[in-house]
Amino acid sequence: NAGVTQTPKFQVLKTGQSMTLQCAQDMNHNSMYWYRQDPGMGLRLIYYSASEGTTDKGEVPNGYNVSRLNKREFSLRLESAAPSQTSVYFCASQIQTGNYGYTFGSGTRLTVV
Amino acid sequence: AQTVTQSQPEMSVQEAETVTLSCTYDTSESDYYLFWYKQPPSRQMILVIRQEAYKQQNATENRFSVNFQKAAKSFSLKISDSQLGDAAMYFCAYRSAMKGSQGNLIFGKGTKLSVKP
Repeated sequence: NAGVTQTPKFQVLKTGQSMTLQCAQDMNHNSMYWYRQDPGMGLRLIYYSASEGTTDKGEVPNGYNVSRLNKREFSLRLESAAPSQTSVYFCASQIQTGNYGYTFGSGTRLTVV
Repeated sequence: AQTVTQSQPEMSVQEAETVTLSCTYDTSESDYYLFWYKQPPSRQMILVIRQEAYKQQNATENRFSVNFQKAAKSFSLKISDSQLGDAAMYFCAYRSAMKGSQGNLIFGKGTKLSVKP
């Protein structure tokens, strides 16, 4: 089925470890996004990529890096995980124009101990 | 900067009854889109309904409808004939439609809806 695929679905890290969250979409969307969801905070934008080859910071970029590898893939990297990065992470994509809204991945629950 | 406010952290409704979830937003833009997303316990984000700011007619999708008041910057979601499967977290979201906008969605903090049998 067409959509946004996120891996892994669950991950536990120790403080200071690094990891990369993977995201791929097969809908030929131009724009891709990474959000984090914390209780009582809604979804906050970490980074986004309006098109292949471009990336920009969102509301909460500190401690993260991203790579738009090609039009399909947009990865999020934690170089040195901290307990404050314990969260649920969502990848999303959309056609850049129009009112179609996002298609979301199923999320990654990350715990940093 | 645009902001989205959902003033009801939690709501409860009896099965088969109607409930309205509130959302207000702040923007100086004239052209934008508004969305309601549903997040059930499965964690999946599901688009419920969307509204273009230039349209006066309120959007409707089956049992879900919105009351869009552009001057008041209000975008409430009405769920009619509530079902047990409607129990979820609901997020209101704003997206600029201005030329040159990057198109990212700005979300409210959510309203947790419980449905009582």
